[in-house]
Amino acid sequence: AQSVTQLGSHVSVSEGALVLLRCNYSSSVPPYLFWYVQYPNQGLQLLLKYTTGATLVKGINGFEAEFKKSETSFHLTKPSAHMSDAAEYFCAVSGPGTYKYIFGTGTRLKVLA
Amino acid sequence: NAGVTQTPKFQVLKTGQSMTLQCAQDMNHEYMSWYRQDPGMGLRLIHYSVGAGITDQGEVPNGYNVSRSTTEDFPLRLLSAAPSQTSVYFCASSKTGYEQYFGPGTRLTVT
Repeated sequence: AQSVTQLGSHVSVSEGALVLLRCNYSSSVPPYLFWYVQYPNQGLQLLLKYTTGATLVKGINGFEAEFKKSETSFHLTKPSAHMSDAAEYFCAVSGPGTYKYIFGTGTRLKVLA
Repeated sequence: NAGVTQTPKFQVLKTGQSMTLQCAQDMNHEYMSWYRQDPGMGLRLIHYSVGAGITDQGEVPNGYNVSRSTTEDFPLRLLSAAPSQTSVYFCASSKTGYEQYFGPGTRLTVT
């Protein structure tokens, strides 16, 4: 069985500050992990993914995430927040041989001027 | 490429009515899926397909039917709409089964 927990349904940061969005997972198989972003009234867009290999993965718009097996975590970070980063972010888990994605409940990021 | 397209964008139904949400993709992706998004619950998988003629249930399949007669199209049918099916519905497709491309969504209200 797989599950995803995103800590904090709402996160606020100042423009230029570090963005840290937390995601913890559980999986009975080696996890494939994803972060998606959703802007208002739009579909989801893939930010980055981890399947195998390097545990630090870089995505679009300056975001990156690190897969930490010992902590069962895949937190999303960005060194310096921009106003355009305001959106809802979803962590998701899948696994080899399964097409069933499990999404977290989402974290809405607000960027303060 | 148009990517993943969904129609309609908005729909209001009365309880008991049936309808079909359309989804099409022009990327020749084998994998397609339907999700519903509800506040505070993230996205939940309704049905998915790994190729033409092959479908399977996701997390919340009750009240929904799908079929996949072509690679391009994956319609979602609501057999008898209920207020609990008020939601935003997203279709997604994938070449690999992992990275997904999402459509813009259909906002459905059932009164």
